[in-house]
Amino acid sequence: QKEVEQNSGPLSVPEGAIASLNCTYSDRGSQSFFWYRQYSGKSPELIMFIYSNGDKEDGRFTAQLNKASQYVSLLIRDSQPSDSATYLCAVANDYKLSFGAGTTVTVRA
Amino acid sequence: DAGVTQSPTHLIKTRGQHVTLRCSPISGHKSVSWYQQVLGQGPQFIFQYYEKEERGRGNFPDRFSARQFPNYSSELNVNALLLGDSALYLCASSLGTGATVSYEQYFGPGTRLTVT
Repeated sequence: QKEVEQNSGPLSVPEGAIASLNCTYSDRGSQSFFWYRQYSGKSPELIMFIYSNGDKEDGRFTAQLNKASQYVSLLIRDSQPSDSATYLCAVANDYKLSFGAGTTVTVRA
Repeated sequence: DAGVTQSPTHLIKTRGQHVTLRCSPISGHKSVSWYQQVLGQGPQFIFQYYEKEERGRGNFPDRFSARQFPNYSSELNVNALLLGDSALYLCASSLGTGATVSYEQYFGPGTRLTVT
C-alpha cells in the first residue's frame, strides 16, 4: 500500500465550477497535511496546510481533514484557467514529507 | 524577501560522473530538505538537515550524500551517476523541524539533472 494515494486524474472542470481533490494516507501517526500546486516544468508551490480535523478555508481553497478516516481533501471553488496544474498531497511525519503522485486538473474556459 | 534558491538550474552529466547541487534556504530558515522528482511522480524524500545535523534520510543509496553549512545553505552530492538519477532535484526550506508538528516546507525552483 502506498503511503499517500490521490484520486487518479486527469480532472477536467468548467470555469467557475468546483474542483474536488482527494487524498488518503496509510500512517495513522501522520501529523500535518499539505497541498502543493505544481505547474508544468515548475517546482511545487505550497497552497494549503492543515493540522487539525475539520475544514480550513483560504480564499477559493478549502482543505478538509478527517484523521479517523485518514482522508484529506482540497476543494477549489470558482475554478479559473490559472488553476490548471498538478496538485500534490503531502503528509508529514516528523521531518519527512511523503507525497502522492498528484492529480492533474484542467479548467476549461 | 528572496525565496529558496538552487544552482545550477540545469545540468547534463555522463554516467559514472559526480555532481554537486547547491541550495540556499529562505532567510531565517534553519532546515533544508532534499527531494528527487521523476516525471509523473511526486517528490521522494532524500535528506533533511537541521542546524547542520542530518535529521533524516530516505531510501536512497549511499551514493547520495549531503551536508549543511553554518549559514544553513546545503549541498547534495551524488557519486557514480546512473541513468536513473535523471530527475528534478528539489530543495525545500523550513523554519525548523518539529517533534509534534511539521513546519511548512517551501520549495526552490529545482535543478534538472540529465544523465547520459
